[in-house]
Amino acid sequence: LAKTTQPISMDSYEGQEVNITCSHNNIATNDYITWYQQFPSQGPRFIIQGYKTKVTNEVASLFIPADRKSSTLSLPRVSLSDTAVYYCLVGPNLYNFNKFYFGSGTKLNVKP
Amino acid sequence: DVKVTQSSRYLVKRTGEKVFLECVQDMDHENMFWYRQDPGLGLRLIYFSYDVKMKEKGDIPEGYSVSREKKERFSLILESASTNQTSMYLCASSNRQWDPSGRASYEQYFGPGTRLTVT
Repeated sequence: LAKTTQPISMDSYEGQEVNITCSHNNIATNDYITWYQQFPSQGPRFIIQGYKTKVTNEVASLFIPADRKSSTLSLPRVSLSDTAVYYCLVGPNLYNFNKFYFGSGTKLNVKP
Repeated sequence: DVKVTQSSRYLVKRTGEKVFLECVQDMDHENMFWYRQDPGLGLRLIYFSYDVKMKEKGDIPEGYSVSREKKERFSLILESASTNQTSMYLCASSNRQWDPSGRASYEQYFGPGTRLTVT
């Protein structure tokens, strides 16, 4: 089972671009990489998902290098409302489809 | 709009009581999940269901059981609540999607959570 390693916390200022990197050295061939955002007293919310290279949507970009052993969530021009915990999730795949490992996440603190 | 609801936001129970946590989704999703979340430990999977009456153990199933009699409803049962089961419980649902290469991906939708306190 591919487990993930993320920084425990990060600080940023409003208007900056924030990059959060997740390490997943044991990622399996068929695993997708997914990022979630969680605000206090709420359930996590899907942000973005990808398999390789770069994926972009209206809120974030996801960069995945060729070896797929890490991934970087990029949040452009953050605001105070982006203060949250961000989780990187790898897999599951058909061989471990009941294994969803969220880890402890990265607490992003955006300052004015 | 996608919706996952949980029966209670806050619950206080006594040690030894049988506790039922209910989760309902309105998206016709095949898969449903129960997690618990504790400070410093992130989200840990308790049980997973991929179809009606089907279930799989997650990472921490001890002390819990589940029931899925209907597609939209997934219940978590604490047979005899203990203080170490005081936690935030999160329910989620998802479909499985296939890409052109036959790889499966999941997008989970979470409920608001139930904060359970066992005294």
